[in-house]
Amino acid sequence: GDSVTQMEGPVTLSEEAFLTINCTYTATGYPSLFWYVQYPGEGLQLLLKATKADDKGSNKGFEATYRKETTSFHLEKGSVQVSDSAVYFCALRGTGNQFYFGTGTSLTVIP
Amino acid sequence: NAGVMQNPRHLVRRRGQEARLRCSPMKGHSHVYWYRQLPEEGLKFMVYLQKENIIDESGMPKERFSAEFPKEGPSILRIQQVVRGDSAAYFCASSPQADTQYFGPGTRLTVL
Repeated sequence: GDSVTQMEGPVTLSEEAFLTINCTYTATGYPSLFWYVQYPGEGLQLLLKATKADDKGSNKGFEATYRKETTSFHLEKGSVQVSDSAVYFCALRGTGNQFYFGTGTSLTVIP
Repeated sequence: NAGVMQNPRHLVRRRGQEARLRCSPMKGHSHVYWYRQLPEEGLKFMVYLQKENIIDESGMPKERFSAEFPKEGPSILRIQQVVRGDSAAYFCASSPQADTQYFGPGTRLTVL
């Protein structure tokens, strides 16, 4: 069945460091891929998405490219800020319109 | 356009009581999803509904849990005879056409 596997955390980085959070997926067909962010005590917010192979989603300095050949959708940011501290979830929408979420990666950015 | 609304934000119940969680989707959204999040864990899918129909309830426990999304009014997730293990954050998400999901702030259920 469809599933998402993402890098386990927690991840701790210094401000202005480069961020990569790995995400790979298993799916039949051509799923849409998403990254969501969850700040403490809040619900998930859509960060970015890509709907077909080679698409790049981007928002607030974050980027992720839909790689069909490696079934990956890694999240990257060139220079993280303290305000980026949150939990990040990779997700896919399968052919049955059900969404599958990774277990989340906690990021802490220290000044 | 108001976002997804959930209420209550916090709910405390004693073992054996009933919990009712409400979700009002964004205007124009006819797809609703419910998820459960346990501390330090990811989201677990529970149920997917469209107006007046349950599309997929494969993630919902067979007993004590039920969900509905009536023609009028919010979607309701109902937990009967709650137990301590039901303590979690419950999130609702809505979608216009089963595309991108927009999440509510969640209801944090505590069972004493």
